[in-house]
Amino acid sequence: AQKITQTQPGMFVQEKEAVTLDCTYDTSDQSYGLFWYKQPSSGEMIFLIYQGSYDEQNATEGRYSLNFQKARKSANLVISASQLGDSAMYFCAMREGVTGTASKLTFGTGTRLQVTL
Amino acid sequence: DAGVTQSPTHLIKTRGQQVTLRCSPKSGHDTVSWYQQALGQGPQFIFQYYEEEERQRGNFPDRFSGHQFPNYSSELNVNALLLGDSALYLCASSLGGGLPNIQYFGAGTRLSVL
Repeated sequence: AQKITQTQPGMFVQEKEAVTLDCTYDTSDQSYGLFWYKQPSSGEMIFLIYQGSYDEQNATEGRYSLNFQKARKSANLVISASQLGDSAMYFCAMREGVTGTASKLTFGTGTRLQVTL
Repeated sequence: DAGVTQSPTHLIKTRGQQVTLRCSPKSGHDTVSWYQQALGQGPQFIFQYYEEEERQRGNFPDRFSGHQFPNYSSELNVNALLLGDSALYLCASSLGGGLPNIQYFGAGTRLSVL
């Protein structure tokens, strides 16, 4: 069974600094996708970044990058130049298999990020 | 371009009642997934609908049922509500059939069961 582990319940970072949120996963599939979502207090899950298991380069989206280490089964999110608006819960999620028939997401327990002045 | 919309935003029910939650997917999306998020936890997959059929189901009892309409909108029904059903219910839409199949979420319906 697939599993996502986020070991940091809470993190603090100063404004304009970079921060890394950890995520490890467990799967027996060769084909899978890894996602990061941001959940502000309003509740909406906001998609941030995606990494496919066969992608050779680490994904980047603006200030977000995904440090994908396949052999270690880790997919850490790096946020550069943190802003106050980055304060939120962050969830790592995985989709096993090729899309079309099996695309449910399995989520970790989340990391609460607080950005301070 | 409207994103995923869910209604109602909040709902209060009593034990034993039935509830229906609604979801309209993002324009162009044909697949709808439902998740339950208890306080302090990550979302748990309930089921997914594609072409009006339930394509995949998580570990939830039959009290949880759903439907997808021809316009791709969806409903989640929960019968015989229990206190433990109190949670944020999230709907996500995606375009089935091709990678990366990113799921986009609505703001959720917060259900309180008293």
